[in-house]
Amino acid sequence: DTAVSQTPKYLVTQMGNDKSIKCEQNLGHDTMYWYKQDSKKFLKIMFSYNNKELIINETVPNRFSPKSPDKAHLNLHINSLELGDSAVYFCASSQGQRGFYEQYFGPGTRLTVT
Amino acid sequence: AQKVTQAQTEISVVEKEDVTLDCVYETRDTTYYLFWYKQPPSGELVFLIRRNSFDEQNEISGRYSWNFQKSTSSFNFTITASQVVDSAVYFCALSEAATGFQKLVFGTGTRLLVSP
Repeated sequence: DTAVSQTPKYLVTQMGNDKSIKCEQNLGHDTMYWYKQDSKKFLKIMFSYNNKELIINETVPNRFSPKSPDKAHLNLHINSLELGDSAVYFCASSQGQRGFYEQYFGPGTRLTVT
Repeated sequence: AQKVTQAQTEISVVEKEDVTLDCVYETRDTTYYLFWYKQPPSGELVFLIRRNSFDEQNEISGRYSWNFQKSTSSFNFTITASQVVDSAVYFCALSEAATGFQKLVFGTGTRLLVSP
């Protein structure tokens, strides 16, 4: 069983479109995250949710809207896609929101905007 | 503000060589947590280790070992007798306790290439 899963694995779309990425974890964790990894492999946190409540929003453009229907799912919707949104997006989860919990990552979604 | 520096962009070694990946961090917090993650060519991120700021014991796990030194703000990672399967990008990351919730700050990663 995959601990943290993301769909789709690859997403190719044109500028201006709207797209969603889904994430599910079966670890029973309370906290979930979205990260963006750019072409230089730099990883940066975007959002964090704890028990469906937003706790971190790292000044991400409001074209990005996360949604957590329950604590096992965290989806990411992106409106009006731009070329600069091309990246690999990783979902992750941890047992709790405190700093000492390790995070477990999904396989990533490679988004290409043309 | 917290910061993680991995000065080595890429390291190339031949199988069976030992290799050390450097990680230097900055934080104003007295309680913090350091992590290493591995990203193999397949792309997923794999958790390797967590170290608390109040525990300076070094750790060994098989061919992997970690050297945490608060005096130099470093948390270095050594692979002994490297293997081709160790080829990956390795990330060091820092999380502070003061915020009350986890916000991982990653270094820029070190790409390790192990050739046969």
